[in-house]
Amino acid sequence: QVQLMESGGGVVQPGRSLRLSCVVSGFSFSRYSMHWVRQTPDKGLEWVAVISIDGSIKYYADSVKGRITVSRDNSKNTLYLQMNSLRAEDTALYYCVRDLEGGGWTWAFDYWGQGTLVTVSS
Amino acid sequence: DIVMTQSPDSLAVSLGERATISCKSSQSVLYNSNNKNYLAWYQQKPGQPPKLLIYWASTRASGVPDRFSGSGSGTDFTLTINSLQAEDGAVYYCQQYDKIPITFGGGTRVEIK
Repeated sequence: QVQLMESGGGVVQPGRSLRLSCVVSGFSFSRYSMHWVRQTPDKGLEWVAVISIDGSIKYYADSVKGRITVSRDNSKNTLYLQMNSLRAEDTALYYCVRDLEGGGWTWAFDYWGQGTLVTVSS
Repeated sequence: DIVMTQSPDSLAVSLGERATISCKSSQSVLYNSNNKNYLAWYQQKPGQPPKLLIYWASTRASGVPDRFSGSGSGTDFTLTINSLQAEDGAVYYCQQYDKIPITFGGGTRVEIK
């Protein structure tokens, strides 16, 4: 069955960096675009970034542009989110999410991981 | 950005009754070249990630019971849950995937009376 397992979250000071990972199984990772979505009680669900199947195309939310980089290693079935210059407002549960459509993208989401919690605090 | 506005924020519905949730987008999410509405609905229960219910505004995802249905076009959409079951108590979100940034509604909490 399809599984997505995030890791790398934790407590980090403002201005520091963190790298999240998402290891997937149960499907052909290299055929699917992948997303990161975050959630907070205050702001709800917020899409963060998407990466195409080969990693050549990436889009970001304005709130993270220039500070966060999405990448993938298809040989390792792993998605990454490199988060730099972290701010308090980056505090959230970060989900790794699969795009609905294999071979291309729709930007709808059919499978979600359980999430990894990032807390930015001094 | 396309703003997604859901209403109501919450509703309480008796078992076996119907729940109706509205979602309005600040601009049309209908793509004329393929006549598809880029609108999805998700269900989220406490401690769980969201689960895809409906995509293309009215297509049920695999395994979703047929008591869940989506309708609407352009800027106005509805999620209907017929014959509400105890396990349907959750928060429901709409999402537009027509344009980047992908955006979600604020959520509607459905409580079982």
